Amino acid sequence: DAGVTQSPTHLIKTRGQQVTLRCSPKSGHDTVSWYQQALGQGPQFIFQYYEEEERQRGNFPDRFSGHQFPNYSSELNVNALWLGDSALYLCASSLAQDRGENPYGYTFGSGTRLTVV
Amino acid sequence: AQTVTQSQPEMSVQEAETVTLSCTYDTSESDYYLFWYKQPPSRQMILVIRQEAYKQQNATENRFSVNFQKAAKSFSLKISDSQLGDAAMYFCANDSGTYKYIFGTGTRLKVLA
Repeated sequence: DAGVTQSPTHLIKTRGQQVTLRCSPKSGHDTVSWYQQALGQGPQFIFQYYEEEERQRGNFPDRFSGHQFPNYSSELNVNALWLGDSALYLCASSLAQDRGENPYGYTFGSGTRLTVV
Repeated sequence: AQTVTQSQPEMSVQEAETVTLSCTYDTSESDYYLFWYKQPPSRQMILVIRQEAYKQQNATENRFSVNFQKAAKSFSLKISDSQLGDAAMYFCANDSGTYKYIFGTGTRLKVLA
C-alpha cells in the first residue's frame, strides 16, 4: 500500500518563475492538505482540498493556488516566486470521514525541497 | 488565535535514559486533538502519539507517553529507554477542528551513545 507520493523531491527555480508541485495521496484517502516548512520552523498550513474544492486556507497570498483531481491527487502552484518561498513543501492526505476515531489520519509525504535563487 | 509553543530548541539524552519534551498550546475550542510528530532526516513527518482533549487519561504508545494538563494547556512527551533511532526533530501540533494543524517550532532530540 503506497503512502503519500510527492514529486519532484528537489527543485531549483529563479525568482519570478512559477512552480507546480504534485502529490498523490495514500490509497483510500480523499483529502489533501499542503504545508510549507521553512528551515528550522514547523510546518505551516497552506490549504486543504476535498471533493476537488479548497476547503480551508491558511495565511498565504493568492500566489499560492492548488487543484485536486477526480483521482484525489493534487497540485500546488506558486506564481511569481521570491526568495522567501524557499522551503520544504509537505503534502498530507487523510480520509474526511475519519475524524472520530482517527482524527484526519494524516499521512505525510517526504516533501519537495524548493530552492528559489 | 491558536498557538503552539515548544520552548526547547534542542535536547540531549543518554541512550536508555528518559527525556521529556515540553509543549504548551492555546485554543478557544473545547474539543480538539493534540499530536506529537517525529521528523527524521528523511523529512517525512511520522505520528508518534495523539491525545483527544476530552479524554482525561494520558495517551501511551510503547516507550512514548504524554502528560496532558488541560487546564494548564500543557502537553509534554516522555520518551523512555531512549534509542539511537529516536534522534530527530519532534513537533507538537494542535488540531482544533478547523481542518488544519498548528505546529510548534520543534525540538531537536539528540541521543548520545
